Amino acid sequence: EVQLVESGGDLVQPGGSLRLSCSASGFTFNTYEINWVRQAPGKGLEWVSYVNTAGSGTYYADSVKGRFTVSRDNAKNSLYLQMNSLRAEDTAVYFCARVGNWGSQVNDYWGQGTLVTVSS
Amino acid sequence: DIQMTQSPSTLSASVGDRVTITCRASQSISGRLAWYQQKPGKAPKLLIYEASNLESGVPSRFSGSGSGTEFTLTITSLQPDDFATYYCQQYNSLWTFGQGTKVEIK
Repeated sequence: EVQLVESGGDLVQPGGSLRLSCSASGFTFNTYEINWVRQAPGKGLEWVSYVNTAGSGTYYADSVKGRFTVSRDNAKNSLYLQMNSLRAEDTAVYFCARVGNWGSQVNDYWGQGTLVTVSS
Repeated sequence: DIQMTQSPSTLSASVGDRVTITCRASQSISGRLAWYQQKPGKAPKLLIYEASNLESGVPSRFSGSGSGTEFTLTITSLQPDDFATYYCQQYNSLWTFGQGTKVEIK
């Protein structure tokens, strides 16, 4: 069974840093690209970042570019999101989502999410 | 950047109704569009990919159509389990979601 489990969400002050983790199981992790997607309280879904299978290629939404860094450790079946210079508007549930590798780059499996709250 | 616009934002319907949600892209995305269903406190669930392909295990009352810039999600005979929020997503150029359509009980 495919599983993605996020962790690391917390309450952090504006300007602070946080690292989220996403642990994968039930599939060959190093053959799948992964997205981070977030959802502010009561709001819609926002794509945040992408990492390729090797971890050598990344993309970011303009809203987080220069502040967030995505990485992965294929030996540990894990994905990370380093978030720096956090702002109140970064408050959201953060999901990791697998990108299908069968021709359509949809997010076919999602974790349950981890909540990041940025507040003083 | 490609913008995605869904309509309506909220839709009130009854069990058994036929429901249609529209998604428009700011530029052509060919058929690279997906639909997701999300219930409160849960992760989104993939329903349809490539505009009209039903994900495995998704009931056949869900269908998608469209290409280029205009797409629709149709639910024939709405069921109690279908009351949720639906999002479109383009994946032609990175990824962008529509703002969501909440399907609520009339």
